[in-house]
Amino acid sequence: RKEVEQDPGPFNVPEGATVAFNCTYSNSASQSFFWYRQDCRKEPKLLMSVYSSGNEDGRFTAQLNRASQYISLLIRDSKLSDSATYLCVVNTGFQKLVFGTGTRLLVSP
Amino acid sequence: EAGVTQFPSHSVIEKGQTVTLRCDPISGHDNLYWYRRVMGKEIKFLLHFVKESKQDESGMPNNRFLAERTGGTYSTLKVQPAELEDSGVYFCASSSSGRARHEQFFGPGTRLTVL
Repeated sequence: RKEVEQDPGPFNVPEGATVAFNCTYSNSASQSFFWYRQDCRKEPKLLMSVYSSGNEDGRFTAQLNRASQYISLLIRDSKLSDSATYLCVVNTGFQKLVFGTGTRLLVSP
Repeated sequence: EAGVTQFPSHSVIEKGQTVTLRCDPISGHDNLYWYRRVMGKEIKFLLHFVKESKQDESGMPNNRFLAERTGGTYSTLKVQPAELEDSGVYFCASSSSGRARHEQFFGPGTRLTVL
C-alpha cells in the first residue's frame, strides 16, 4: 500500500465548475500536509498547507481529517489555468516529504 | 528573491559514466533536500541537509550516489557509475528554519537520461 494515495484522474471539467480531490495517508504520525501543483515537465509548486481547522485561499479550500487520515482540496470556479497535476504531500515528521502520484485536472472552455 | 536553481537542466550520459548535479537553495535556507522522480512513479525523497550536515539520507538508493554540501550553501549530487535505472528527474528543494521549515520550495529539476 502506498503511503499517500490519490485518484490519478484525469478529472475533465468545464470552466466555472467546482472540483474536489481527495487523498488518504497511512502514517498516523504525519505532522504536516500540503497540496502542491505541478505543471507538465515543471517542478512542484506549493499551493497551500493544510490545517486541521481547514483553510481557504481564494478559490481553493483545503481540509484535513486526522481521524480518517484524509485530505481534500476543493477548487471553485475552475479556470483554464488550473489545468495541472495536483500532488497530495505529507510530512511524516522528519521533514521528509512523501508524495502521492498526483491527480490530473483538465479544465476545458 | 531568487528561487532554488539547479544545473544542468538536462544531462544525457552513457551507462558507467559519472554525472554531477548541482543545486543552489534559496538564500538563507538552512535545509536542503534532494528528491527524484523516475518514469511513472511518484516523487521520492533522497536526502536532507541541515547546513552542511546530512540529517537524513534514508532515501539514497545505493552507494553510487554521493551528496555533499560543503560550506552549507550549494549542494552537489554525484552518481558514479550511472546505471540505466538512475534515469529520471532530480529535484532539489530548500526550506528555512523554525516554523516555516516544513514548507519546501522546489527547483526546476535536472532531467537525467542514462543510455
